[in-house]
Amino acid sequence: GAVVSQHPSRVICKSGTSVKIECRSLDFQATTMFWYRQFPKQSLMLMATSNEGSKATYEQGVEKDKFLINHASLTLSTLTVTSAHPEDSSFYICSASTLSRDPTYNEQFFGPGTRLTVL
Amino acid sequence: AQTVTQSQPEMSVQEAETVTLSCTYDTSESNYYLFWYKQPPSRQMILVIRQEAYKQQNATENRFSVNFQKAAKSFSLKISDSQLGDTAMYFCAFMKPHSGAGSYQLTFGKGTKLSVIP
Repeated sequence: GAVVSQHPSRVICKSGTSVKIECRSLDFQATTMFWYRQFPKQSLMLMATSNEGSKATYEQGVEKDKFLINHASLTLSTLTVTSAHPEDSSFYICSASTLSRDPTYNEQFFGPGTRLTVL
Repeated sequence: AQTVTQSQPEMSVQEAETVTLSCTYDTSESNYYLFWYKQPPSRQMILVIRQEAYKQQNATENRFSVNFQKAAKSFSLKISDSQLGDTAMYFCAFMKPHSGAGSYQLTFGKGTKLSVIP
């Protein structure tokens, strides 16, 4: 159980185009979904947190108009990189959070990631 | 803001030996969770072990155990009987309640690349 998928796993696009990445929780309802960015040989940096049916909360320095997040249901969140440029090339990882048996703790389950290359 | 520091960018260990990865953190929170995640070459993040700050007993999961020193804000991971499949990036992470009700966010350290040598 607790499987999170991401689609696509890899995407190559031209500069100026938009790219949509999907994150789905396959066997549970996610109260919250998170989007991370990871540069080569670096750590995961939280970009934004989204709750179903409400606007995403972006971390400082993340352009909300460039990285559009939609969390339309309890099992699906999408990240759209608008007008992508080469500097947006990175590994994007989502995680989905659900309540655990411990009511004070929300466990996060990670997707396999999406490698975005902007030419 | 919370910070997580992993001072060992890379480590290596012989197969079947024991290795300890270091992690320190800084927070003003009294209640929080600490984690070790593994990221193998496939890039899939895998939870290795979790520690609740209010528990004094160190968490263990099979060959993985932690040494949690709350006063020192230290959270090291010990891997016993290292196996080739343990080769991966290991990230220490801190969780606090998010500003929004019912949601939590993770703060990651920079990671330690562990290589298990046959």
